Amino acid sequence: EIVLTQSPGTLSLSPGDRATLSCRASQSVIDSYLAWHQQKPGQAPRLLIYGASTRAAGIPDRFSGSGSGTDFTLTISRLEPEDFAVYYCQRYDTTPKTFGQGTKVEI
Amino acid sequence: EVQLLESGGGLVQPGGSLRLSCAASGFSFSNYAMSWVRQAPGKGLEWVSDINYSGGSTSYADSVKGRFTISRDKTTNTLFLQMHSLRAEDTAVYYCARFAAYDVWGYYFDYWGQGTLVTVSS
Repeated sequence: EIVLTQSPGTLSLSPGDRATLSCRASQSVIDSYLAWHQQKPGQAPRLLIYGASTRAAGIPDRFSGSGSGTDFTLTISRLEPEDFAVYYCQRYDTTPKTFGQGTKVEI
Repeated sequence: EVQLLESGGGLVQPGGSLRLSCAASGFSFSNYAMSWVRQAPGKGLEWVSDINYSGGSTSYADSVKGRFTISRDKTTNTLFLQMHSLRAEDTAVYYCARFAAYDVWGYYFDYWGQGTLVTVSS
């Protein structure tokens, strides 16, 4: 079974702080086919990053992604109030399209 | 503007059936692969099924294989999920999601619908 493990489970930070979220794959991700999605309470997920490091359309440049192989990182350089949410990594080089369990960024 | 609007959720008894729909607009539906992803209450995201642009290729999570069927209708720009033999553990918000291109391999979800809640309970 292919697993994505996100850490930490919860990140308690303040507006203006830097957030660093980790996603580790149990098997190497082909061609960095890894995405990050943001989900706010009661809302649908929203694509932030694809290809491990490419921002989706309309995503502010305070969001950045990096990594390859089995280790990936989502960084939010300076947290804005609207960034407090749950973040999921997802690989799309396999079937099933596995998601990590999520990291909650809270105030 | 890309829009995905799910419908068809509701309360169903264990062992029952339900058909979910996802009405797509704002893009050329026939050119994109589509998927269903679900989220149990208070839990994370779980991929359920996907279908390529033509409907000729489908995939399912082991947890729903043999019970759920994904399909699409290009004349009405609608994605479907037929669900049979429903179980309590199928209770979730079901989202439809668009792949960024025609195929399911190597492409990510670029748009999500708002979801429809399915509750399986007696």
